[in-house]
Amino acid sequence: KAGVTQTPRYLIKTRGQQVTLSCSPISGHRSVSWYQQTPGQGLQFLFEYFSETQRNKGNFPGRFSGRQFSNSRSEMNVSTLELGDSALYLCASSLGTSSYNEQFFGPGTRLTVL
Amino acid sequence: GIQVEQSPPDLILQEGANSTLRCNFSDSVNNLQWFHQNPWGQLINLFYIPSGTKQNGRLSATTVATERYSLLYISSSQTTDSGVYFCAVNSGGGADGLTFGKGTHLIIQP
Repeated sequence: KAGVTQTPRYLIKTRGQQVTLSCSPISGHRSVSWYQQTPGQGLQFLFEYFSETQRNKGNFPGRFSGRQFSNSRSEMNVSTLELGDSALYLCASSLGTSSYNEQFFGPGTRLTVL
Repeated sequence: GIQVEQSPPDLILQEGANSTLRCNFSDSVNNLQWFHQNPWGQLINLFYIPSGTKQNGRLSATTVATERYSLLYISSSQTTDSGVYFCAVNSGGGADGLTFGKGTHLIIQP
């Protein structure tokens, strides 16, 4: 069974631009969560989608948004990029919600904002 | 929200040594996972262990939920075990998403 896939793997943008990252979960998994990893803040939860609905959102500004499609694939969008948005963005999928179910992570998208 | 503390923050060992990594958490949990982050950034699942004991080869883990801690044991370390080990928990109650500790940076020297 294929693992979680994320595209693109690397991305370079400039301040003020917007970016869209994509995540395809493990086949059969209905929950997709997104995390941001930075050297200063570590790994932080962004949001989780289950059956196309956002279940919860971490402490991030409204510039960070996401959605989930009927095939469980998910995208996250960051608008008006700031230098501090440079990070590794990780996507995870699980059979059910992340509260009780084991999560499996993709390889990540490394975003650099110049 | 729930707090997760990992210790030690850094650990340097010789190949063949054994190690114990600790994860303390501040509230009851529904989900506890141990991960190894590889040099390319991907989180590799080691254990899903909200309670009890599990073993997988040279690695084993124990979670004592009533005392709010988990331990990851690595025996006969190899250089490929180097990297950052993360403990992550979810306390439920509507707070979906994993809360991660700051990790233990393990270096195995040949």
